[in-house]
Order: sequence, then C-alpha cells, then structure tokens
Amino acid sequence: QQQVKQSPQSLIVQKGGISIINCAYENTAFDYFPWYQQFPGKGPALLIAIRPDVSEKKEGRFTISFNKSAKQFSLHIMDSQPGDSATYFCAASARGGSQGNLIFGKGTKLSVKP
Amino acid sequence: EAQVTQNPRYLITVTGKKLTVTCSQNMNHEYMSWYRQDPGLGLRQIYYSMNVEVTDKGDVPEGYKVSRKEKRNFPLILESPSPNQTSLYFCASSWRGNTEAFFGQGTRLTVV
Repeated sequence: QQQVKQSPQSLIVQKGGISIINCAYENTAFDYFPWYQQFPGKGPALLIAIRPDVSEKKEGRFTISFNKSAKQFSLHIMDSQPGDSATYFCAASARGGSQGNLIFGKGTKLSVKP
Repeated sequence: EAQVTQNPRYLITVTGKKLTVTCSQNMNHEYMSWYRQDPGLGLRQIYYSMNVEVTDKGDVPEGYKVSRKEKRNFPLILESPSPNQTSLYFCASSWRGNTEAFFGQGTRLTVV
C-alpha cells in the first residue's frame, strides 16, 4: 500500500514534443505529490508538486495532472527540450509521523533528441 | 545558501572497514533522511529522523546505523560494509515529512 508505481522506465521524445510520465498510488492518506528531477552526478531537486485539493498545477512548461478517484498523477512536459533530459521521480507522502516519509517511484529516464 | 552537504562525495573501501558518511543541513529542518539509489530500483529510504534523538528505520535499514544528536547533522554509519552496499547514497532534509525535500550531492560508495 506504500508503493508508488511509475511508468515508463525510459522515454525518448523529439525536441518540441510532449513528454508524459505517469504514477499510481494506493495509500489514500497521501496528500503531497512531488516530482523530482535529477541530472547525472547531482542530487534530485524538486521540480513541481501538487496537493489533492486541485486537479492540475502548471509551472512554465511543466504540468501535474492529478486524478484523486483513480489514484493517479502524471507529469507533462510541453515543448520538451534537450536540456530536459534527466531522470524524473514521482513521490508521495502523507501528513504526520512516519507517514511523512517520501515514497519514490523507480524513476523515468527521459531523453529529448534534438 | 540553503544546502545539504554530504561528505565524502566518493569513497572506495574494503569489506568490513567501518565508515561514516556525514550529512549536514543549514535550513533548521526537522526531517532528515538517508536514501540509496540503485539502477532500476529508484530511491529507497534507509533511515529517517523526525527530530533530534528521534530516528527510525526506512525500507532498507539492514547494515546501517544513524544518529541525530544535533538538528543539523545526520551521519550514516556502516559498521561492517559489504559489497552489496555499493551504491549511490543521498541525504535529504525537509521542514516536515510532506514538504519539499532538499537533497545533498550524493556519495558514491564502492565496497570491494
């Protein structure tokens, strides 16, 4: 019940295309859903996050879509650029105590071809 | 500058030789965690701490120890490292569990 399932494992997109990464969860207590971006040799860094009171959050070219009833959320990268090539992790956590721990998906390696 | 600092960045050691990876944060965060990252397995939590002197096991705690004597520091101790602990390790801190987590640069550990 603590798992966050992420797909696909890898993704190749042409420059200017849309990249879509999906995640699914089981624990209905989760109330924080961040996406992290990791470049080679670096630690993950927060890209964008959403809480379940909204169905969508947009920051520049990055959008999170959230479907509470389906227990799914996804990251959309519009007009994908070669500089977006990185590994993306979805995560989830719940309020309070040990449930506050971030549970990560296994990651998606995105390659954007010029 | 807000940051999480891990040392060392790279470490090669031999089986059984005790080692410590240090982690320090300057954001006065309550939550700190250690993760290991392995290909295809994502980020798996080793231990976490909700505050000073409060630590608990994550998903993969075997072979590791931690301590939290000060709010800013959260060292990871491998008392008797084994080759299956060869991995990339990350320390992270956050204000609370379900808020933004800041990660260190990582420590690449090789146990031979």
